[in-house]
Amino acid sequence: TQLLEQSPQFLSIQEGENLTVYCNSSSVFSSLQWYRQEPGEGPVLLVTVVTGGEVKKLKRLTFQFGDARKDSSLHITAAQPGDTGLYLCAGQMVNRDDKIIFGKGTRLHILP
Amino acid sequence: SQTIHQWPATLVQPVGSPLSLECTVEGTSNPNLYWYRQAAGRGLQLLFYSVGIGQISSEVPQNLSASRPQDRQFILSSKKLLLSDSGFYLCAWSVTVNTGELFFGEGSRLTVL
Repeated sequence: TQLLEQSPQFLSIQEGENLTVYCNSSSVFSSLQWYRQEPGEGPVLLVTVVTGGEVKKLKRLTFQFGDARKDSSLHITAAQPGDTGLYLCAGQMVNRDDKIIFGKGTRLHILP
Repeated sequence: SQTIHQWPATLVQPVGSPLSLECTVEGTSNPNLYWYRQAAGRGLQLLFYSVGIGQISSEVPQNLSASRPQDRQFILSSKKLLLSDSGFYLCAWSVTVNTGELFFGEGSRLTVL
């Protein structure tokens, strides 16, 4: 059973377009992280969200934590080829000893 | 600033041979340390984590083991590799009071033939 579902699995869009990827669960998280991973490298932390409804912005990336702290979204405005990569969400589970679980990721490809 | 380094970056080993992957962290004390395996289409699977020297918790039964001989050193080992052990292995650390934020090493690509 996959506790954190990410969608879509794959996304290929043209440079300049906007996109949103999702991270959903039936579990509640005390915190949720987004990472970006390049091929052959380790994931790099982009952001942590903690409060239900919280919105954080990182340049053209906007991250939102769901009100119930069960889901999150990542919106990219005016995507650029440098945004290409695997985007992973991870959640720190409440009532499970703060165990961290990962989604399978969204593989994003921005076409120049 | 904190850094994490793991090696080797790439490893090709025959079935039945031993394995040793090493990870070190600099610039922090008493970190939580983790070993993950990443397989295509399956996401990151937690293998081991450690909250201190000599303290190892295993998440899944397997023929791998982990050790933490020093505060900032984490080693992943196997006595006899299986084909199914192939994958991308990632070491990570977090602060002592777990915020959920993980900082990963560069990864080690293991191919078992």
